[in-house]
Amino acid sequence: SQTIHQWPATLVQPVGSPLSLECTVEGTSNPNLYWYRQAAGRGLQLLFYSVGIGQISSEVPQNLSASRPQDRQFILSSKKLLLSDSGFYLCAWSGGANVGDTQYFGPGTRLTVL
Amino acid sequence: KQEVTQIPAALSVPEGENLVLNCSFTDSAIYNLQWFRQDPGKGLTSLLLIQSSQREQTSGRLNASLDKSSGRSTLYIAASQPGDSATYLCAGLSGANNLFFGTGTRLTVIP
Repeated sequence: SQTIHQWPATLVQPVGSPLSLECTVEGTSNPNLYWYRQAAGRGLQLLFYSVGIGQISSEVPQNLSASRPQDRQFILSSKKLLLSDSGFYLCAWSGGANVGDTQYFGPGTRLTVL
Repeated sequence: KQEVTQIPAALSVPEGENLVLNCSFTDSAIYNLQWFRQDPGKGLTSLLLIQSSQREQTSGRLNASLDKSSGRSTLYIAASQPGDSATYLCAGLSGANNLFFGTGTRLTVIP
């Protein structure tokens, strides 16, 4: 069966510090991968998605970047965090064979920027 | 750009009651409509997925409907239980990969 992992589970970082959140998927190959952010009082927003190694699409302009160094690894990064980067970050994967395949979500990382 | 709205934002019901959660979307050109459940501080669990060609899907006590022409979807929960307490999110898939989420309905089922 497929599983998706995210770490760390929680993170408190000062403004201006770097960020690296990791997401890995097991039990499937060549998944589509996604990063979402859920800010306080707001809905989930798609930040990045990837259909393959090294292929990243960004949905919104922002202070963050994403990379996919391996087939089942998706990393969310920032060189200098802003207060507005605080939120709950969710990684998701889908089979990718068909448009509209169900997305499966990881447990999330709660990031607080102070 | 797709916008998804969920009403009500919060709902409290006594155990055993049937209830309906509402979701509306502005762009009817969606591939599918999904309902998710989110427990506090946790990730999302997919509940039901309705393809654009379908009108409803059922899973146990849950039934979701989709009316693309009116831009609406509903999630019906029968015989609610305290374990159903969570935030319920709907999301429309516009484009191959872009899920647009509503802000959710926080459901509390009172024993």
